[in-house]
Amino acid sequence: DQQVKQNSPSLSVQEGRISILNCDYTNSMFDYFLWYKKYPAEGPTFLISISSIKDKNEDGRFTVFLNKSAKHLSLHIVPSQPGDSAVYFCASTNSGGSNYKLTFGKGTLLTVNP
Amino acid sequence: DGGITQSPKYLFRKEGQNVTLSCEQNLNHDAMYWYRQDPGQGLRLIYYSQIVNDFQKGDIAEGYSVSREKKESFPLTVTSAQKNPTAFYLCASRGQYPGTDTQYFGPGTRLTVL
Repeated sequence: DQQVKQNSPSLSVQEGRISILNCDYTNSMFDYFLWYKKYPAEGPTFLISISSIKDKNEDGRFTVFLNKSAKHLSLHIVPSQPGDSAVYFCASTNSGGSNYKLTFGKGTLLTVNP
Repeated sequence: DGGITQSPKYLFRKEGQNVTLSCEQNLNHDAMYWYRQDPGQGLRLIYYSQIVNDFQKGDIAEGYSVSREKKESFPLTVTSAQKNPTAFYLCASRGQYPGTDTQYFGPGTRLTVL
Protein backbone atom coordinates (compact mmCIF):
# COMPACT_ATOMS: atom_id res chain seq x y z
CA ASP A 1 0.00 0.00 0.00
CA GLN A 2 1.94 2.98 -1.30
CA GLN A 3 1.01 6.09 0.61
CA VAL A 4 3.30 8.31 -1.46
CA LYS A 5 3.40 7.82 -5.22
CA GLN A 6 5.67 9.25 -7.85
CA ASN A 7 4.11 7.88 -11.01
CA SER A 8 6.81 9.00 -13.43
CA PRO A 9 9.98 6.91 -13.03
CA SER A 10 11.87 9.26 -15.31
CA LEU A 11 11.71 12.70 -16.91
CA SER A 12 13.92 14.28 -19.56
CA VAL A 13 14.06 18.04 -20.22
CA GLN A 14 16.25 20.48 -22.10
CA GLU A 15 18.59 22.81 -20.26
CA GLY A 16 16.92 26.13 -19.53
CA ARG A 17 13.39 24.72 -19.64
CA ILE A 18 11.10 23.95 -16.72
CA SER A 19 11.17 20.57 -14.97
CA ILE A 20 7.96 19.51 -13.20
CA LEU A 21 8.08 16.52 -10.89
CA ASN A 22 4.84 15.20 -9.45
CA CYS A 23 3.88 13.39 -6.27
CA ASP A 24 0.57 12.08 -4.93
CA TYR A 25 -0.26 10.94 -1.42
CA THR A 26 -3.17 9.04 0.06
CA ASN A 27 -2.80 9.55 3.82
CA SER A 28 -4.93 12.52 4.88
CA MET A 29 -2.92 12.79 8.10
CA PHE A 30 0.17 13.93 6.19
CA ASP A 31 0.72 17.63 6.70
CA TYR A 32 4.40 18.20 5.96
CA PHE A 33 6.06 17.42 2.65
CA LEU A 34 9.68 17.38 1.54
CA TRP A 35 11.68 16.94 -1.63
CA TYR A 36 15.11 15.35 -1.64
CA LYS A 37 17.65 15.10 -4.46
CA LYS A 38 19.90 12.07 -4.73
CA TYR A 39 22.95 11.32 -6.84
CA PRO A 40 24.04 7.68 -7.35
CA ALA A 41 25.89 6.15 -4.39
CA GLU A 42 25.30 9.25 -2.25
CA GLY A 43 22.86 10.15 0.50
CA PRO A 44 19.78 12.25 -0.34
CA THR A 45 20.13 16.00 0.02
CA PHE A 46 17.23 18.04 1.36
CA LEU A 47 15.90 20.50 -1.23
CA ILE A 48 12.71 22.15 -0.11
CA SER A 49 9.67 21.51 2.08
CA ILE A 50 6.13 22.75 2.50
CA SER A 51 3.64 22.68 5.32
CA SER A 52 -0.04 22.00 4.67
CA ILE A 53 -0.91 25.53 5.82
CA LYS A 54 0.71 26.81 2.61
CA ASP A 55 0.08 26.07 -1.04
CA LYS A 56 3.43 27.28 -2.35
CA ASN A 57 7.01 27.56 -1.17
CA GLU A 58 9.84 28.97 -3.21
CA ASP A 59 13.61 28.77 -2.84
CA GLY A 60 15.63 30.10 -5.72
CA ARG A 61 15.03 27.96 -8.80
CA PHE A 62 12.92 25.48 -6.82
CA THR A 63 9.21 25.90 -6.09
CA VAL A 64 6.93 23.35 -4.46
CA PHE A 65 3.16 23.54 -4.94
CA LEU A 66 0.68 21.74 -2.72
CA ASN A 67 -2.93 20.96 -3.65
CA LYS A 68 -4.44 19.51 -0.50
CA SER A 69 -7.83 18.73 -1.97
CA ALA A 70 -6.20 16.64 -4.69
CA LYS A 71 -3.53 15.27 -2.33
CA HIS A 72 -0.97 16.30 -4.89
CA LEU A 73 2.30 18.19 -4.80
CA SER A 74 4.75 19.16 -7.47
CA LEU A 75 8.31 20.43 -7.65
CA HIS A 76 9.14 22.99 -10.32
CA ILE A 77 12.74 23.67 -11.31
CA VAL A 78 13.26 26.78 -13.42
CA PRO A 79 15.51 27.03 -15.32
CA SER A 80 16.72 23.44 -15.37
CA GLN A 81 20.48 22.88 -15.42
CA PRO A 82 22.52 19.76 -16.28
CA GLY A 83 23.65 19.59 -12.62
CA ASP A 84 20.02 19.04 -11.65
CA SER A 85 20.18 15.57 -13.20
CA ALA A 86 19.50 13.22 -10.28
CA VAL A 87 16.77 11.15 -8.66
CA TYR A 88 14.19 13.25 -6.82
CA PHE A 89 12.27 11.77 -3.90
CA CYS A 90 9.06 13.12 -2.48
CA ALA A 91 8.49 12.42 1.24
CA SER A 92 5.58 13.07 3.58
CA THR A 93 4.87 12.94 7.28
CA ASN A 94 2.42 13.84 10.01
CA SER A 95 4.30 16.55 11.86
CA GLY A 96 2.01 16.18 14.86
CA GLY A 97 3.13 12.60 15.35
CA SER A 98 5.69 11.76 17.98
CA ASN A 99 8.20 10.03 15.76
CA TYR A 100 8.32 12.15 12.60
CA LYS A 101 8.59 9.12 10.34
CA LEU A 102 8.99 10.03 6.69
CA THR A 103 7.23 8.03 3.98
CA PHE A 104 9.06 8.21 0.65
CA GLY A 105 7.95 7.80 -2.93
CA LYS A 106 9.98 5.62 -5.29
CA GLY A 107 11.65 8.59 -6.92
CA THR A 108 11.80 10.20 -10.36
CA LEU A 109 15.02 10.23 -12.37
CA LEU A 110 15.44 13.69 -13.90
CA THR A 111 17.80 14.08 -16.85
CA VAL A 112 18.58 17.60 -18.02
CA ASN A 113 20.12 17.60 -21.49
CA PRO A 114 22.58 20.35 -22.48
CA ASP B 1 32.28 20.55 9.99
CA GLY B 2 28.96 19.27 11.32
CA GLY B 3 27.46 16.29 9.61
CA ILE B 4 26.66 12.61 9.47
CA THR B 5 29.29 10.02 8.68
CA GLN B 6 28.76 6.44 7.67
CA SER B 7 31.49 3.88 7.35
CA PRO B 8 32.59 2.05 5.41
CA LYS B 9 31.38 3.27 2.00
CA TYR B 10 31.43 -0.27 0.58
CA LEU B 11 31.15 -3.49 2.55
CA PHE B 12 31.32 -7.11 1.42
CA ARG B 13 30.31 -10.04 3.57
CA LYS B 14 29.75 -13.72 3.15
CA GLU B 15 26.27 -15.10 3.49
CA GLY B 16 25.45 -16.08 7.06
CA GLN B 17 27.70 -13.49 8.70
CA ASN B 18 26.44 -10.63 10.83
CA VAL B 19 27.74 -7.19 9.90
CA THR B 20 27.54 -3.83 11.68
CA LEU B 21 27.21 -0.52 9.83
CA SER B 22 28.41 2.61 11.56
CA CYS B 23 26.56 5.95 11.75
CA GLU B 24 27.89 8.94 13.67
CA GLN B 25 26.59 12.52 13.82
CA ASN B 26 27.96 15.67 15.45
CA LEU B 27 24.85 17.79 14.84
CA ASN B 28 23.57 17.32 18.40
CA HIS B 29 20.42 15.78 16.95
CA ASP B 30 18.25 13.65 19.21
CA ALA B 31 16.55 11.53 16.56
CA MET B 32 18.33 9.11 14.23
CA TYR B 33 17.02 6.81 11.52
CA TRP B 34 18.13 3.88 9.36
CA TYR B 35 16.75 3.37 5.85
CA ARG B 36 17.40 0.91 3.10
CA GLN B 37 17.24 1.67 -0.62
CA ASP B 38 16.86 -0.97 -3.31
CA PRO B 39 17.02 -0.30 -7.08
CA GLY B 40 13.86 1.40 -8.32
CA GLN B 41 12.54 1.69 -4.79
CA GLY B 42 12.11 4.53 -2.39
CA LEU B 43 13.70 4.62 1.04
CA ARG B 44 12.22 2.20 3.52
CA LEU B 45 12.55 2.73 7.27
CA ILE B 46 14.31 -0.02 9.22
CA TYR B 47 14.69 1.41 12.74
CA TYR B 48 14.58 4.81 14.40
CA SER B 49 15.58 6.28 17.72
CA GLN B 50 14.24 9.48 19.22
CA ILE B 51 16.49 9.54 22.26
CA VAL B 52 19.44 7.71 23.79
CA ASN B 53 18.68 4.17 25.01
CA ASP B 54 15.40 4.08 23.12
CA PHE B 55 14.56 2.85 19.61
CA GLN B 56 11.56 1.55 17.66
CA LYS B 57 11.05 -0.75 14.71
CA GLY B 58 10.31 0.79 11.35
CA ASP B 59 8.51 -0.84 8.44
CA ILE B 60 11.11 -3.51 7.63
CA ALA B 61 12.93 -4.29 10.92
CA GLU B 62 13.07 -8.08 10.55
CA GLY B 63 16.65 -9.33 10.38
CA TYR B 64 18.13 -6.09 11.73
CA SER B 65 19.11 -4.83 15.17
CA VAL B 66 20.28 -1.46 16.52
CA SER B 67 21.59 0.17 19.67
CA ARG B 68 21.63 3.79 20.88
CA GLU B 69 24.07 4.02 23.76
CA LYS B 70 25.32 7.49 22.80
CA LYS B 71 23.54 10.46 21.28
CA GLU B 72 26.11 10.65 18.49
CA SER B 73 26.02 7.02 17.41
CA PHE B 74 23.36 4.66 16.01
CA PRO B 75 24.94 1.46 14.63
CA LEU B 76 22.91 -1.00 12.59
CA THR B 77 23.59 -4.75 12.62
CA VAL B 78 22.47 -6.76 9.63
CA THR B 79 22.01 -10.29 10.91
CA SER B 80 22.06 -13.59 9.08
CA ALA B 81 18.27 -13.67 9.49
CA GLN B 82 17.88 -10.86 6.94
CA LYS B 83 16.89 -12.67 3.73
CA ASN B 84 17.99 -10.03 1.22
CA PRO B 85 20.71 -7.94 2.88
CA THR B 86 22.37 -6.60 -0.27
CA ALA B 87 21.27 -2.96 -0.50
CA PHE B 88 22.28 0.66 -0.02
CA TYR B 89 21.89 1.66 3.63
CA LEU B 90 21.28 5.25 4.67
CA CYS B 91 21.43 6.82 8.10
CA ALA B 92 19.69 10.11 8.91
CA SER B 93 19.30 12.41 11.88
CA ARG B 94 16.86 15.14 12.85
CA GLY B 95 16.86 17.96 15.36
CA GLN B 96 13.89 18.83 17.53
CA TYR B 97 13.46 22.52 17.05
CA PRO B 98 11.93 24.57 14.22
CA GLY B 99 14.49 24.88 11.49
CA THR B 100 16.10 21.58 12.42
CA ASP B 101 13.13 19.28 11.98
CA THR B 102 14.18 18.03 8.55
CA GLN B 103 15.95 14.71 8.29
CA TYR B 104 19.53 14.96 7.04
CA PHE B 105 21.26 11.98 5.52
CA GLY B 106 24.72 10.51 5.60
CA PRO B 107 26.55 9.36 2.45
CA GLY B 108 25.38 5.76 2.73
CA THR B 109 26.97 2.29 2.88
CA ARG B 110 26.66 -0.17 0.02
CA LEU B 111 26.46 -3.68 1.50
CA THR B 112 26.98 -6.66 -0.78
CA VAL B 113 26.50 -10.16 0.58
CA LEU B 114 28.24 -12.81 -1.48
